[in-house]
Amino acid sequence: KNQVEQSPQSLIILEGKNCTLQCNYTVSPFSNLRWYKQDTGRGPVSLTIMTFSENTKSNGRYTATLDADTKQSSLHITASQLSDSASYICVVSLGYGGATNKLIFGTGTLLAVQP
Amino acid sequence: SAVISQKPSRDICQRGTSLTIQCQVDSQVTMMFWYRQQPGQSLTLIATANQGSEATYESGFVIDKFPISRPNLTFSTLTVSNMSPEDSSIYLCSVEPRISDYGYTFGSGTRLTVV
Repeated sequence: KNQVEQSPQSLIILEGKNCTLQCNYTVSPFSNLRWYKQDTGRGPVSLTIMTFSENTKSNGRYTATLDADTKQSSLHITASQLSDSASYICVVSLGYGGATNKLIFGTGTLLAVQP
Repeated sequence: SAVISQKPSRDICQRGTSLTIQCQVDSQVTMMFWYRQQPGQSLTLIATANQGSEATYESGFVIDKFPISRPNLTFSTLTVSNMSPEDSSIYLCSVEPRISDYGYTFGSGTRLTVV
């Protein structure tokens, strides 16, 4: 069964600290993996996208890693800010090819950054 | 990436009534997607809306309950019909990225509460 699991479910950190969110997937065939940030009451916004051959990608203070062998990804947030408080969702695309790939969503990690 | 305007942003509705959610995209897109996000859950695809043809529904979702219109390449509506409290969710529309390096773009969501 195609699944995306994220851990932890929720996380509280102090402003300025770093944190790492985990994503494990059992999706086949794999096309790509995306991390999204979803602020409360808003739609998800893309942070990074990685294909099978990429093992790290950065977007500002966000760095995502991908290990296609172990089917694991992580999102590392450096020097956290209050505005980083949000749900972070890992999304894996099934690689059927063609115009549209099916997306498998994780349940997200709810991050709270406290002053 | 595309910009999506989704409305209403939230609504409280009586059971047995219907609500129509609108999504307007700032550019022409082939496919639009409608998702449901129940509290504490990941996003679940309801249907894919193509212009000029009937929407394609995922398992567990039917046209009578979630009729979709796609009159042109920049607009779509989702109606939640004969609502019950179980329909209380966030509903989001989404479009594919124009460039493969970008993530899917999501609307800001409609938070629906059925009482």
